[in-house]
Amino acid sequence: GEDVEQSLFLSVREGDSSVINCTYTDSSSTYLYWYKQEPGAGLQLLTYIFSNMDMKQDQRLTVLLNKKDKHLSLRIADTQTGDSAIYFCAESIGGKLIFGQGTELSVKP
Amino acid sequence: EAQVTQNPRYLITVTGKKLTVTCSQNMNHEYMSWYRQDPGLGLRQIYYSMNVEVTDKGDVPEGYKVSRKEKRNFPLILESPSPNQTSLYFCASSLRDRASPLHFGNGTRLTVT
Repeated sequence: GEDVEQSLFLSVREGDSSVINCTYTDSSSTYLYWYKQEPGAGLQLLTYIFSNMDMKQDQRLTVLLNKKDKHLSLRIADTQTGDSAIYFCAESIGGKLIFGQGTELSVKP
Repeated sequence: EAQVTQNPRYLITVTGKKLTVTCSQNMNHEYMSWYRQDPGLGLRQIYYSMNVEVTDKGDVPEGYKVSRKEKRNFPLILESPSPNQTSLYFCASSLRDRASPLHFGNGTRLTVT
């Protein structure tokens, strides 16, 4: 079946790296996405990775994909207080987007 | 500015009183969708539309209706709201289909008493 799992909370200190993890169950995913939700706002696409890639880097963001273990991670380098938000991973299966529950990232000064 | 606009942002209503949440996008997107967000459950799809006059059920369609008479608008209708429909609702659109990156509205927080 289709299922995307994330831990619900992560707390880091400003300047540290944050790593948000996600596991999924369907190996036929074509794209995997990371979305960011700030308080009172909708979801904003952060980055995405095609399923035949292992890694994608975009400035402070690094996405790692382990297809064998069906594990996706988002690393935020030099985490800032402005990075505090809820982060959702999502997988695309046959044109349908399945979202995880979201990980609330709290950045302490 | 390219955006998805939902109205209202906040709505408090009583059980059984029909309501409509509007959604409009100015990006000429074919695909539009409604989600509800509940704590610990992430986003669940209610209905979606691949184009004008084409709508389909998502994962949790019970108690909701939609229509797509024009490309830019995709209203969500609750004919007889119940307390279990208290939630945060998001409209989203994308260029082609469900796999394209979604653009989200800012959400509508609905409370049904």
